[in-house]
Amino acid sequence: DQQVKQNSPSLSVQEGRISILNCDYTNSMFDYFLWYKKYPAEGPTFLISISSIKDKNEDGRFTVFLNKSAKHLSLHIVPSQPGDSAVYFCAASWAGANSKLTFGKGITLSVRP
Amino acid sequence: DAGVTQSPTHLIKTRGQHVTLRCSPISGHKSVSWYQQVLGQGPQFIFQYYEKEERGRGNFPDRFSARQFPNYSSELNVNALLLGDSALYLCASSLRGEAFFGQGTRLTVV
Repeated sequence: DQQVKQNSPSLSVQEGRISILNCDYTNSMFDYFLWYKKYPAEGPTFLISISSIKDKNEDGRFTVFLNKSAKHLSLHIVPSQPGDSAVYFCAASWAGANSKLTFGKGITLSVRP
Repeated sequence: DAGVTQSPTHLIKTRGQHVTLRCSPISGHKSVSWYQQVLGQGPQFIFQYYEKEERGRGNFPDRFSARQFPNYSSELNVNALLLGDSALYLCASSLRGEAFFGQGTRLTVV
């Protein structure tokens, strides 16, 4: 039973445009959400996180939005750059679990020059 | 600052053998977790250790075991290897919420 779902396996966008990556979760106990980026042959790299007490967190070109009532979060990348092409994982955890993360399957983002 | 380091980076083992994977966390991080990632899936939680004590275990058979040492480094051991154990094994360390991952150990079982 997938508790964190990334239903779109891939996304292709033009350089300079906005990339929107979506993630849904089913476990209402999750209270901390993270996005990771992964290149081939490397470990996941932490991008941005959001606590359930917030609905938005921004860091440079990356913004994460959280809609608790819909159990949905999204990562916006603007403007998208070719170097952003990678697999993006959504992950979730809950209080007391510290770094135990539940991941989605990932979405492959391709940014076309 | 050194990030999370894992060794070896690649490993080929035969079915039935055992394997030990090693991880050194970021300096100051007391929590270490292990994840298994198979192709096409997200990382799956195997173990978490904090201050040398097991704090969590994922849905993996008893062939998988781990430990954490006084310097907070960690080992993951897998016995009686199966073909299905072929995967990327990731170690992560954390101080609070964000987990920082190493580059992983690619294990191939033949």
